[in-house]
Amino acid sequence: QVQLQQWGAGKLKPSETLSLTCAVSGGSFSGHYWSWIRQPPGKGLEWIGETNHSGNSRYNSSLKSRVTISVDTSKNQLSLKLTSVTAADTAVYYCARGRGYYYDSSGLLQYYYNGMDVWGRGTTVTVSS
Amino acid sequence: DIVMTQSPLSLPVTPGEPASISCRSSQSLLHSDGHNYLDWYVQRPGQSPQLLIYLGSYRASGVPDRFSGSGSGTDFTLKISRVEAEDIAVYFCMQALQTPDAFGQGTKLDIK
Repeated sequence: QVQLQQWGAGKLKPSETLSLTCAVSGGSFSGHYWSWIRQPPGKGLEWIGETNHSGNSRYNSSLKSRVTISVDTSKNQLSLKLTSVTAADTAVYYCARGRGYYYDSSGLLQYYYNGMDVWGRGTTVTVSS
Repeated sequence: DIVMTQSPLSLPVTPGEPASISCRSSQSLLHSDGHNYLDWYVQRPGQSPQLLIYLGSYRASGVPDRFSGSGSGTDFTLKISRVEAEDIAVYFCMQALQTPDAFGQGTKLDIK
């Protein structure tokens, strides 16, 4: 079954850049969108953004000026970069599999949605001086 | 942006009894394809969120049938027919109709 393995620096100082990677194994990297979601300590979940294997990305407008989500299709990996971090960016960061898509017999792009059905274990990132 | 509001935020439950969580969205989640783009997730202590229900009422693979989702438009409900000890967790609803996807605040289920 599909598994997501995450890694990245866990401690940052204010103004540094957060950098995390999520590797997809056991299933197809193409044909799905892959999301980053974060959860500050003791709080709820915030969607950061998503991308697909072609690098088509969408972001939460609240973070858009600081966030980049990219892909390395040769390694079936997606990456998250968040610049100019502050203590407010302290959180557990998750990657997750989202909506799927395919090209039908007419060559038209079709989407389908089965929820965010696969999640990584999360990476704790702490921003402190 | 669509805002998701859950209630209650804390729900004391007795094992064996039913439980119900409400989720309301600031805009209709009904897509032209006829589906409501509303999911339910459960997060057990120290674990990642796990999908329970997608598109309002479809149980994810492996989810026990004591969990059910209902509702349409802006009002949705997650029901647990008989709470078990392993259901003690935090439950989130999430809308996937519009960017950005947005989660409710979470409802913490604990033992009465």
